[in-house]
Amino acid sequence: EDQVTQSPEALRLQEGESSSLNCSYTVSGLRGLFWYRQDPGKGPEFLFTLYSAGEEKEKERLKATLTKKESFLHITAPKPEDSATYLCAVQAPGGYQKVTFGTGTKLQVIP
Amino acid sequence: GAVVSQHPSRVICKSGTSVKIECRSLDFQATTMFWYRQFPKQSLMLMATSNEGSKATYEQGVEKDKFLINHASLTLSTLTVTSAHPEDSSFYICSASDSKETQYFGPGTRLLVL
Repeated sequence: EDQVTQSPEALRLQEGESSSLNCSYTVSGLRGLFWYRQDPGKGPEFLFTLYSAGEEKEKERLKATLTKKESFLHITAPKPEDSATYLCAVQAPGGYQKVTFGTGTKLQVIP
Repeated sequence: GAVVSQHPSRVICKSGTSVKIECRSLDFQATTMFWYRQFPKQSLMLMATSNEGSKATYEQGVEKDKFLINHASLTLSTLTVTSAHPEDSSFYICSASDSKETQYFGPGTRLLVL
């Protein structure tokens, strides 16, 4: 069974204080790993897709990296508007394109 | 690009009535759409996967006769909660996958059954 574990559950940062969120996964062959951002009361917003170990993607203050067992979402010099819950999901080979989500990391950036 | 809409965004209904939620991919064609349910402070729980023109695949424990899914076109899927009860109150979110199998999510529908 595919499993996704995200840590920490919650993270509080001062504005400008860089940090990383972790997503550990167990899957029988990774087809894709996805990062999303979710604001309260809204649907998740797509950030990145990573397909193979060693791959990196960046968007503004966010950078996602991937190894064979985990992915990191690095946040450089965060701003209060980066406050949200960040979700990680993995997709295994097979039909129906089903993904398994982690429980998320709730990030709070304090001015 | 990759915009998914949901309607309504919020609905309040009486126990025993049925509620229909629409999910549309606005700028791309989605062969596959997904329906999730999210409880407060929890992650997304997949309810079912629907492919255009075929029957939906429901996850274990999800009643297919209660949660009716129709995927009539490449841009529209609907979820009907039949004979809703207070325990069906939740946040329902749909997603649509593009040709690269990335899921893009709608804004969600908050259902409250009185």
